[in-house]
Amino acid sequence: DQQVKQNSPSLSVQEGRISILNCDYTNSMFDYFLWYKKYPAEGPTFLISISSIKDKNEDGRFTVFLNKSAKHLSLHIVPSQPGDSAVYFCAATVSYGGSQGNLIFGKGTKLSVKP
Amino acid sequence: DGGITQSPKYLFRKEGQNVTLSCEQNLNHDAMYWYRQDPGQGLRLIYYSQIVNDFQKGDIAEGYSVSREKKESFPLTVTSAQKNPTAFYLCASKRGLNEKLFFGSGTQLSVL
Repeated sequence: DQQVKQNSPSLSVQEGRISILNCDYTNSMFDYFLWYKKYPAEGPTFLISISSIKDKNEDGRFTVFLNKSAKHLSLHIVPSQPGDSAVYFCAATVSYGGSQGNLIFGKGTKLSVKP
Repeated sequence: DGGITQSPKYLFRKEGQNVTLSCEQNLNHDAMYWYRQDPGQGLRLIYYSQIVNDFQKGDIAEGYSVSREKKESFPLTVTSAQKNPTAFYLCASKRGLNEKLFFGSGTQLSVL
């Protein structure tokens, strides 16, 4: 049973507009969430994270929002650029005694930003 | 430059053959991981090691084996018992339990 779900396999956005990637989770014990970006034939790279004690974290053009009651998080990219075209993975974990457990990844959303 | 090196980039396996994927890191990270990615799927954890000479099974360890004799190295062997080995394999590491995962560039394994 998938604990981290990214229900949109793909998303197409015009350059300069906002990209919104969504992620839902089922395990209420998850308390730390991350987004990774992956280009074809390369390893994922860390993008941004958020702890469950926050509902928003911002880093430049990237903002992650967390809605714990809905078990939902989203990644906003504003403005979107063609170089943002990649697969985005949502990941979640539980912290045990202050230490992170292993990451559980969603299936990814392929973002295409058109010039 | 510090990083994670996976080799080879592409690997072909014959039926019944064991193959070993290399993963080396010079980041002085304690923990190392192996993930498998299938098309349209997320990353699934195969094995992980939090310290030298110790490793644990992940979610899909059957048909795989690992060793962690050195801090820098965490090779993954895909055995003949793995009936569906074709996938993109990713090695990752992190310095401490609350640090971010860094990934290598991956190895694409295909069956001849």
